Amino acid sequence: NAGVTQTPKFQVLKTGQSMTLQCAQDMNHEYMSWYRQDPGMGLRLIHYSVGAGITDQGEVPNGYNVSRSTTEDFPLRLLSAAPSQTSVYFCASSYSREVYGYTFGSGTRLTVV
Amino acid sequence: TQLLEQSPQFLSIQEGENLTVYCNSSSVFSSLQWYRQEPGEGPVLLVTVVTGGEVKKLKRLTFQFGDARKDSSLHITAAQPGDTGLYLCAGARAYSGAGSYQLTFGKGTKLSVIP
Repeated sequence: NAGVTQTPKFQVLKTGQSMTLQCAQDMNHEYMSWYRQDPGMGLRLIHYSVGAGITDQGEVPNGYNVSRSTTEDFPLRLLSAAPSQTSVYFCASSYSREVYGYTFGSGTRLTVV
Repeated sequence: TQLLEQSPQFLSIQEGENLTVYCNSSSVFSSLQWYRQEPGEGPVLLVTVVTGGEVKKLKRLTFQFGDARKDSSLHITAAQPGDTGLYLCAGARAYSGAGSYQLTFGKGTKLSVIP
């Protein structure tokens, strides 16, 4: 099983550019989330989804959009990249409503210059 | 305001020593999870504790959930270089009105075990 697959692994963007971070899972998990990890800040929730067609905002949603058209895929879109969005982004999925453990992808390291 | 406080932030010990990492909050969680993260990788789940006072053991690692479900500890016995990594605690609690639970992470404890 592939688990949670994130692409790309690394990305450099110029300020103002847009891009989509891809996330796919093959475990038939209903619950998926996007986190960003910054030094000294820990992991912070950006957006999450409780099933296909259902998404909601997390702690730091500004500047990001998500959609969930299928159970497998949960892409994260940066609308107009800013240097403050330089971070490592993790996608995670879980089978359980009460979150008995998330499976994380290996991350996308994004630099905005 | 950080919902989950982890301590210590950094820990460097010799192989064979014991150590304890703490995760504290003023909030009650429905469950608490511990993850280990290695450089360039995503966090990997070690354990989930659900019941107040619960103790779980994973080889040389012992996890305890506080009676009030507000805090947790991770104790490692006879640490080995392979235990080196970033240890994260995460509390699950209801988030918004969607009826879903989400994880709130502590900032982590960076452990280095020196051979």
